[in-house]
Amino acid sequence: GQQLNQSPQSMFIQEGEDVSMNCTSSSIFNTWLWYKQDPGEGPVLLIALYKAGELTSNGRLTAQFGITRKDSFLNISASIPSDVGIYFCAGLGGATNKLIFGTGTLLAVQP
Amino acid sequence: NAGVMQNPRHLVRRRGQEARLRCSPMKGHSHVYWYRQLPEEGLKFMVYLQKENIIDESGMPKERFSAEFPKEGPSILRIQQVVRGDSAAYFCASSPGPTRDYTFGSGTRLTVV
Repeated sequence: GQQLNQSPQSMFIQEGEDVSMNCTSSSIFNTWLWYKQDPGEGPVLLIALYKAGELTSNGRLTAQFGITRKDSFLNISASIPSDVGIYFCAGLGGATNKLIFGTGTLLAVQP
Repeated sequence: NAGVMQNPRHLVRRRGQEARLRCSPMKGHSHVYWYRQLPEEGLKFMVYLQKENIIDESGMPKERFSAEFPKEGPSILRIQQVVRGDSAAYFCASSPGPTRDYTFGSGTRLTVV
């Protein structure tokens, strides 16, 4: 089945640093989504990418949909303590267009 | 404009009992998806339903698990004869169509004792 490999698995950074994480797939996706999950809550959508090559920003977040449609990255600039959480990439594709999640990146920000 | 509502938030069941998890999609959303998340893992797809129809159940265990999304009322994920390995967070998401705008609920945390 489709699998998404997300890296890094975890990051421990200082407040103010920039962060980059990426996701790769063995198959093509039509849409890439990036979510953030806080403890005890469901994933919250951060950025959605609908076209290969698309670069989209949402405040301090920037994400790109890879040209091959098999990868995506998320950058967070000038991190702050409330950025702490688990970030998931997700790809939408396959015969029934279901959402497949990556393995997650745990982000810890030291004030 | 309420989001995706899941209840209960927490559910404790003894081994062998049945668990029923409910999901009310956002207003206007007719597509519902169920996911399971084990501790410190990502979300695993279980089933995709559109009003009264199961579109994709490729992630559902073959036994003890079932899902429905009736014409009226919430979507239900039913787990019969629960075992300890069923303990997980179960999330529901809804969308107005199959290609975008997935919104997740806050999940139901099932603990089997």
